[in-house]
Amino acid sequence: SYELTQPPSVSVSPGQTATITCSGDALSKQFGYWYQRKPGQAPVVVIYKDNERPSGIPDRFSGSSSGTTVTLTISGVQAEDEAEYHCQSADISGTYVTFGGGTRLTVL
Amino acid sequence: QVQLLQSGAEVRKPGASVKVSCKASGYNFIDYYIHWVRQAPGQGLEWMGWINPNSGATEYAQKFQGRVTMTGDTSISTAYMEVRSMTSDDTATYYCHAVLESTGTPYFYVDVWGKGTTVTVSS
Repeated sequence: SYELTQPPSVSVSPGQTATITCSGDALSKQFGYWYQRKPGQAPVVVIYKDNERPSGIPDRFSGSSSGTTVTLTISGVQAEDEAEYHCQSADISGTYVTFGGGTRLTVL
Repeated sequence: QVQLLQSGAEVRKPGASVKVSCKASGYNFIDYYIHWVRQAPGQGLEWMGWINPNSGATEYAQKFQGRVTMTGDTSISTAYMEVRSMTSDDTATYYCHAVLESTGTPYFYVDVWGKGTTVTVSS
């Protein structure tokens, strides 16, 4: 099965920039998506199609793609951004979806 | 507004089955795929498969093939996901998920999740 690789954890101080990467071979052909999940809540998309931000998501969230890696950047991190972040994409055929293992963002 | 309303929490014994429902509202149910995703305690999100409500076509993650069935009832805009022969490893919160994206103008992109259904498998 197709795998996406994320770091298990990232820690930053308030106001700093958090960067979370996600690597997978098919990311050179398929879009990457980023979901924020807080305890007891359903996931919320913060970036779709590599770098698009849904309405209602603060502009401190941004996404980028290069080769087989997509990156989520949170500029000026706030305490409320503490959550798990999961990348998601599809295999090369576009049929099967997969999630990365998730990255726990801790705001110090 | 666009919503996915899931059925309530379930408790099952090992070897049993469970069927979770997901009722769509606020959009045309047959126009967008429904995905099912689960999260076990302390684990990441795990994609299980999708159903095309219009045709009934399905695709399942290899791990779930033969043990999971996804169906839909277009008359009541509801998708279902059944897991059979459950073990304690199936204890998780199960989510239905849909992405509504326009193919023309005006452009829209709506990503909607159900609130989740907690399924506990315990003897």
